[in-house]
Amino acid sequence: AQRVTQPEKLLSVFKGAPVELKCNYSYSGSPELFWYVQYSRQRLQLLLRHISRESIKGFTADLNKGETSFHLKKPFAQEEDSAMYYCALKLQGGSEKLVFGKGMKLTVNP
Amino acid sequence: NAGVTQTPKFQVLKTGQSMTLQCAQDMNHNSMYWYRQDPGMGLRLIYYSASEGTTDKGEVPNGYNVSRLNKREFSLRLESAAPSQTSVYFCASSASGGDTGELFFGEGSRLTVL
Repeated sequence: AQRVTQPEKLLSVFKGAPVELKCNYSYSGSPELFWYVQYSRQRLQLLLRHISRESIKGFTADLNKGETSFHLKKPFAQEEDSAMYYCALKLQGGSEKLVFGKGMKLTVNP
Repeated sequence: NAGVTQTPKFQVLKTGQSMTLQCAQDMNHNSMYWYRQDPGMGLRLIYYSASEGTTDKGEVPNGYNVSRLNKREFSLRLESAAPSQTSVYFCASSASGGDTGELFFGEGSRLTVL
């Protein structure tokens, strides 16, 4: 069965510290993974997708099929990075049906 | 620049009452979705509509019905609300066929069932 696991619910760091938000997945098909972010009082929005291999707001994520992981990393966290982060897995099929992890709250302290 | 619009934003119901959550998108997207968000549970898919005229169950469809009224609108109905349906509901849309994995979300509707 398809599943996305975010093992940590909360992460609190100081500004300038590195952050790593963990995500593991279970899926029999070819995985497509994404990170979504929800800032306070804003809508949930796409942060980045693995297929683009891009860096958004200093965040990167590498798909590791051997470890079935898609961890989100940023070398120097900023206060504005404080938000809820969701890892998501796209199911194969004709629509953008996503399975989300339970989310993780990142707090970056000044 | 509305994107995905949901109404109402807040609603309090008594057990057994019915209500409909409305969702509309102005991005000419083919696919639309209803998710519920519960603390510690993340987002779970209730129903989705891959295209106008089609609807399919998601992970947690029990107690809900949906209607894809036209390409723009996708409503979620609770026929007989239960306290377990207290949640924040999100509507989303996507331009299926692009395979981007990008969903565009509404602001959410907070529902409390007493």
